[in-house]
Amino acid sequence: GENVEQHPSTLSVQEGDSAVIKCTYSDSASNYFPWYKQELGKRPQLIIDIRSNVGEKKDQRIAVTLNKTAKHFSLHITETQPEDSAVYFCAANPISGGYNKLIFGAGTRLAVHP
Amino acid sequence: ETGVTQSPTHLIKTRGQQVTLRCSSQSGHNTVSWYQQALGQGPQFIFQYYREEENGRGNFPPRFSGLQFPNYSSELNVNALELDDSALYLCASSLVSGDTEAFFGQGTRLTVV
Repeated sequence: GENVEQHPSTLSVQEGDSAVIKCTYSDSASNYFPWYKQELGKRPQLIIDIRSNVGEKKDQRIAVTLNKTAKHFSLHITETQPEDSAVYFCAANPISGGYNKLIFGAGTRLAVHP
Repeated sequence: ETGVTQSPTHLIKTRGQQVTLRCSSQSGHNTVSWYQQALGQGPQFIFQYYREEENGRGNFPPRFSGLQFPNYSSELNVNALELDDSALYLCASSLVSGDTEAFFGQGTRLTVV
């Protein structure tokens, strides 16, 4: 079935270091891959997304890479800051089951220590 | 902040009861999806509504049902509540296209006792 696996489940870094979160997906027809940041008690907020016709996308300190052949994509955060601490979710949009159905990973709890 | 609003924000129900959760979508968005987020897990797709009809469903039993109204707002109904239904329920509105951003509401925290 449709599945997205996300690793690691927890990540602890020092302020200024880089953080990398990796996801793999099962449905090869997926064409949209968003990343959401969820702070405690708040709604998931989109931080970056990538479509299947692009291999890499960058927005300031955040970048995402996509390898469609291997069916995996990664989030890279450089120069981490304490306010980056949150739970990060990757997601994939499989073609079947209706438009805009997102399959989420289990999340990565990122802690950035000053 | 997004224009997606949900009500109520918190709710406590007893096992076996029924509950209705509400969602107002962002202006211009005609698709509403509902997700269940258990503690410590990622959101799980329940179903999606487009033009007042269910347009896709995840692995949830029929006691989870919904409605979408002409103004694109939506309701999630859950009958015969079970303890495992305790979760954060999120709605997300989007354009119908399959690769556009889904804007989430703040969620309704449902506790079943």
